[in-house]
Amino acid sequence: DADVTQTPRNRITKTGKRIMLECSQTKGHDRMYWYRQDPGLGLRLIYYSFDVKDINKGEISDGYSVSRQAQAKFSLSLESAIPNQTALYFCATSPTGNADTQYFGPGTRLTVL
Amino acid sequence: QKEVEQNSGPLSVPEGAIASLNCTYSDRGSQSFFWYRQYSGKSPELIMSIYSNGDKEDGRFTAQLNKASQYVSLLIRDSQPSDSATYLCAVKPRQLTFGSGTQLTVLP
Repeated sequence: DADVTQTPRNRITKTGKRIMLECSQTKGHDRMYWYRQDPGLGLRLIYYSFDVKDINKGEISDGYSVSRQAQAKFSLSLESAIPNQTALYFCATSPTGNADTQYFGPGTRLTVL
Repeated sequence: QKEVEQNSGPLSVPEGAIASLNCTYSDRGSQSFFWYRQYSGKSPELIMSIYSNGDKEDGRFTAQLNKASQYVSLLIRDSQPSDSATYLCAVKPRQLTFGSGTQLTVLP
């Protein structure tokens, strides 16, 4: 069984729609992250959370929001999707005691038409 | 200037050769340095971390760090076709910052 899961794995939506990407982990890690990956730009941090009550903006948070529903769940929302949010989205986790090591989920490929 | 820069490649080497991947970073306060490997269509996985100047070896992989030159490299000895992937350099001043990756192809 995968330790970090993401749903959906693929999603096509239209401009202006609200969409939620979900991440769940069974690793027991406190820290969770959302990244997007675009060709030629690498991975960029959107939001991160060190525990249920802690949410922090990353490099590119505009147009996104997150919710940490539980230690194991971290959701990313696009309130009104736009085409330049088309990307591959990764969730990652890390343990507090070894925060340098991040474990990535399988990714969600999002297309906004 | 990007915070973490890598040659995008593609870099092609013959099987059995040494592959050399390079990375420079801009934040002199960075203390932690990482190499992730990402196979096509898959998620990144950590293969090496290095925190102090010099070399760190793990099997066929050697990470090299020179903080004065703000330079990190990854050497892959005896390259195998299974090493064909995109290699992401990541640096941590506060949060992980990734380069755009170097695509490596090892030719049989």
